[in-house]
Amino acid sequence: EMQLVESGGGLVQPGRSLRLSCAASGFTFGDYPMSWVRQAPGKGLEWVSYIRMKLYGETAEYAAAVKGRFTISRDDSNSMAYLQMNSLRTEDTAVYYCSRALRPSGDAFDIWGQGTMVTVSS
Amino acid sequence: EIVLTQSPGTLSLSPGERATLSCRASQSVSSTYLAWYQQKPGQAPRLLIYGASTRAAGIPDRFSGSGSATDLTLTISRLEPEDFAVYYCHLYDSSRWTFGQGTKVEIK
Repeated sequence: EMQLVESGGGLVQPGRSLRLSCAASGFTFGDYPMSWVRQAPGKGLEWVSYIRMKLYGETAEYAAAVKGRFTISRDDSNSMAYLQMNSLRTEDTAVYYCSRALRPSGDAFDIWGQGTMVTVSS
Repeated sequence: EIVLTQSPGTLSLSPGERATLSCRASQSVSSTYLAWYQQKPGQAPRLLIYGASTRAAGIPDRFSGSGSATDLTLTISRLEPEDFAVYYCHLYDSSRWTFGQGTKVEIK
């Protein structure tokens, strides 16, 4: 069974850092781009970040709201994706989902984790 | 930046009825990069449609996607009890991924 499991969420003060992890299983992780999508309480989905496969240089993209503060990375040897979140703000409070892109073009996300909650509050 | 606007915000229908959900882009887009997701409370989104009209693996054929340019549509031909949920359209364009604000399909 193809699966993504996020971890690392929690309560953190504004200005602090947090690193989210995403463990993949059931598929060849290195063959797919990966992404993070978040959902604030009671709100819709918001794309956060995307990382391409090694074949495409593992280049990353970021939403304007997190650019310069968040860093996405991947470890294909361990089938892991990460989201390093620095300088957290209250508006970063959300459930963070890890997702797999269906195709190298990255146009749709076909596998999602269950999400991990990040609460930024003093 | 392309904005996706979904309508209506809420659709109140009965099981067995047909649901038509709209997603309008602020400028012409490639339908190749348009997707639809379903999300139920407390659950992760589930991919329904990609490439505007291709059903994802395991998705029943009562779900269909259509449209191009600026107007995309998700149709559920006959609503089953498990179809009552929130639906999001999603676009990839120029290394940016955008979601619509969602349409809630509720039981009338």
